[in-house]
Amino acid sequence: EIVLTQSPGTLSLSPGERATLSCRASQSVSSSYLAWYQQKPGQAPRLLIYGASSRATGIPDRFSGSGSGTDFTLTISRLEPEDFAVYYCQQYGSSPKLTFGGGTKVEIK
Amino acid sequence: QVQLVESGGGLVKPGGSLRLSCAASGFTFSDYYMSWIRQAPGKGLEWVSYISSSGSTIYYADSVKGRFTISRDNAKNSLYLQMNSLRAEDTAVYYCAREPKGAVGWYFDLWGRGTLVTVSS
Repeated sequence: EIVLTQSPGTLSLSPGERATLSCRASQSVSSSYLAWYQQKPGQAPRLLIYGASSRATGIPDRFSGSGSGTDFTLTISRLEPEDFAVYYCQQYGSSPKLTFGGGTKVEIK
Repeated sequence: QVQLVESGGGLVKPGGSLRLSCAASGFTFSDYYMSWIRQAPGKGLEWVSYISSSGSTIYYADSVKGRFTISRDNAKNSLYLQMNSLRAEDTAVYYCAREPKGAVGWYFDLWGRGTLVTVSS
């Protein structure tokens, strides 16, 4: 089973700053099978990025995804107040099995 | 309005059973693959089960295999999760989620708001 490790666990930043979130896989992941979600308290997750770098419908262009193999990154270019949330990466591997990372919380500094 | 609405959660004793439902609206439910995903209180996300659009292909996470059964009724635009032999570690918010039609890969573009299942004596 592929394990996804997200870092840091918590990121303390101010509005307007750049956020860089990491997702590392224990084995190589096809870029087509890496997605990112945003979750706010009391809400369901929302799809941000699929295929490692494609933005989902309606997602602002300040969100971008990159990476390949075992290292993937979600970047928020300039944090808006509504971006403070928890972010999860997710991969689909063989078996079939689908796993999520443990999450990164982006909090207001 | 395109949405998924879960129901059926509640408090159940260890060893008990519960059946969750997910009502889909605003889209052609029978065209889409569906999954159940859960989130224990204060924890991350865990995929639970998958069912193809016709119901012919089903997968389970190892943690629920043999205890949970996923099914769907396309005529009723509904997804179900029958949960038996429940354990304390099954306590979580259960979400139903939709995989985009024709997606390359396996991810979810539509989620319900979830239903809370609490397993406790």
